[in-house]
Amino acid sequence: DAGITQSPRHKVTETGTPVTLRCHQTENHRYMYWYRQDPGHGLRLIHYSYGVKDTDKGEVSDGYSVSRSKTEDFLLTLESATSSQTSVYFCATQDSRSGNTIYFGEGSWLTVV
Amino acid sequence: GENVEQHPSTLSVQEGDSAVIKCTYSDSASNYFPWYKQELGKRPQLIIDIRSNVGEKKDQRIAVTLNKTAKHFSLHITETQPEDSAVYFCAASLHGSGNTGKLIFGQGTTLQVKP
Repeated sequence: DAGITQSPRHKVTETGTPVTLRCHQTENHRYMYWYRQDPGHGLRLIHYSYGVKDTDKGEVSDGYSVSRSKTEDFLLTLESATSSQTSVYFCATQDSRSGNTIYFGEGSWLTVV
Repeated sequence: GENVEQHPSTLSVQEGDSAVIKCTYSDSASNYFPWYKQELGKRPQLIIDIRSNVGEKKDQRIAVTLNKTAKHFSLHITETQPEDSAVYFCAASLHGSGNTGKLIFGQGTTLQVKP
């Protein structure tokens, strides 16, 4: 499972508060991704990173920001959480040494009330 | 950008029967097509993938076929077992030098295998 750890695993927060989700990997993979999963939509890409301090937007980036100051950590921030951001968030990393396989973390369940 | 459509959204089969899930993609440049299995409350797990330079790949009871001309690919599960019950996702991306391999997912198929 590529040594991917997400924290927190579960969080309930109030509308308007900032939230940061952390993804930590131990495999030194260059590429990292944040996806959200909602019923009927599958997984949708929020932001991705192709190296330290190199990030870019995905399909559904509005309302989210990311940072990657170290290879092993990729942070997803909701600056002001809204109820539409209630979702399951998955971090993923890409192993370019084994055919570019993408592995997912365990997921973070976020509820915005 | 890439768009992936997946059908059916739900599939119920009898144990021992075969199951087929189909996906179509829009970007002819896509060259990597993985399939993920997700059990309730768990992470998506890669079960098989195929690249655009081959038409078919098998791994025990699982196979994937790719038709580049028609831009569709399918997952075939033979001799289904109750433990195959899960949500299956197809995805497409452009892998290769200079590309990060961002996956675009289908909407998912809930497979139920009845004992």
